[in-house]
Amino acid sequence: QVQLVQSGAEVKKPGASVKVSCKASGYTFTAYYMHWVRQAPGQGLEWMGWINSNSGVTNYAQRFQGRVTMTRDTSISTAYMELHRLRSDDSAVYYCARERSVNFDYWGQGTVVTVSS
Amino acid sequence: EIVLTQSPGTLSLSPGERATLSCRASQSVTSSYLAWYQQKPGQAPRLVIYGASSRATGIPDRFSGSGSGTDFTLTISRLEPEDFAVYYCQQYGSSPRYSFGQGTKLEIK
Repeated sequence: QVQLVQSGAEVKKPGASVKVSCKASGYTFTAYYMHWVRQAPGQGLEWMGWINSNSGVTNYAQRFQGRVTMTRDTSISTAYMELHRLRSDDSAVYYCARERSVNFDYWGQGTVVTVSS
Repeated sequence: EIVLTQSPGTLSLSPGERATLSCRASQSVTSSYLAWYQQKPGQAPRLVIYGASSRATGIPDRFSGSGSGTDFTLTISRLEPEDFAVYYCQQYGSSPRYSFGQGTKLEIK
């Protein structure tokens, strides 16, 4: 069965970077794009961008360009999202989600990132 | 930029009742690219409807989606206790390439 298992919760100081991992299993990793979506406490869902798991090509939402880096390691079927220059309003749950025909059919369990001095 | 506006913000209904959730887009959205997700507290979202009207795998037939252009609707014909959650619509297309509505909370009355 398809599973996306994310890394654990992180606490970071403002200005630092955080890197979240998403390990995929149960399907051919390189056959699907992986997206990242975040959700601030009590708020809605915000799309951050995607990575082509095969080629490594990325596409980021405009508001994150220059501050986010998405990578992948095909040898271990894992996608990564690194967010730089963290601010307090980056505190959120970060999800990876597999794309199937422009829909997000499987999601990771979420990673809580807390940014606090 | 396409903005998705969901209404109502909160919908209070009883089990067995019919729920109608609305998603309105600021510009026309290709029906193939409109989806609905369900999210329960502490859980990741779950795909419910894709292509505006197709049920995702494992979704019961009491869930249905409809609409086109700028107006889309998610209908739950007879609410079960497990249906109470937050529902988000989502579009793919114009900038931002993927975006979500702000959500409708479906709560037990």
